[in-house]
Amino acid sequence: SSELTQDPAVSVALGQTVRITCQGDSLRSYYASWYQQKPGQAPVLVIYGKNNRPSGIPDRFSGSSSGNTASLTITGAQAEDEADYYCNSRDSSGNLVVFGGGTKLTVL
Amino acid sequence: EVQLVESGGGLVQPGGSLRLSCAASGFTFSSYWMSWVRQAPGKGLEWVANIKQDGSEKYYVDSVKGRFTISRDNAKNSLYLQMNSLRAEDTAVYYCAREMVRMAIHAFDIWGQGTMVTVSS
Repeated sequence: SSELTQDPAVSVALGQTVRITCQGDSLRSYYASWYQQKPGQAPVLVIYGKNNRPSGIPDRFSGSSSGNTASLTITGAQAEDEADYYCNSRDSSGNLVVFGGGTKLTVL
Repeated sequence: EVQLVESGGGLVQPGGSLRLSCAASGFTFSSYWMSWVRQAPGKGLEWVANIKQDGSEKYYVDSVKGRFTISRDNAKNSLYLQMNSLRAEDTAVYYCAREMVRMAIHAFDIWGQGTMVTVSS
């Protein structure tokens, strides 16, 4: 079982804002990182740290954190944002790595 | 171009062995922690193992401890995963990934395209 918990599925209307959450005790000590994965492709890092986007990631993607919950927000969701989203961080011991179970985002 | 390319996947019988390789290019391989991450068909991502820059520290998910061994050859810019006593539940796409490790931050910033491992009789 994962030490990070995500909702299995979330939907958003085209152009609207959606928040995907990730909960876990380790998030009180470590920032979550977020990945986008489209069918048949490798995951792509979209947010890391407090709220950092790698080069090439649109600024409609943002991250935030409060207590044991991290959030990925997509402001003005586009059709191409439909994908699976995963969070990850260190585990509570700090030695191992964990992923959330993933959230399937549907853009309506 | 920063790149990771996995190889070595295939079909293996239960109880068999397989060695995966990951060739790194476009960055200073010896400066990074490296990981293997897997994804079973239709399932989520699962971290498998990682290794420190000089190979002095290695960590594994409980389900593969004692069966899998991660290693690296910095002279060859290569990462490896020796998988023994394979089980059906090890069937997955195996990704090689570069780690970004800073204070309170852990992320996989570069991923390979993955190599499929199928354990079946």
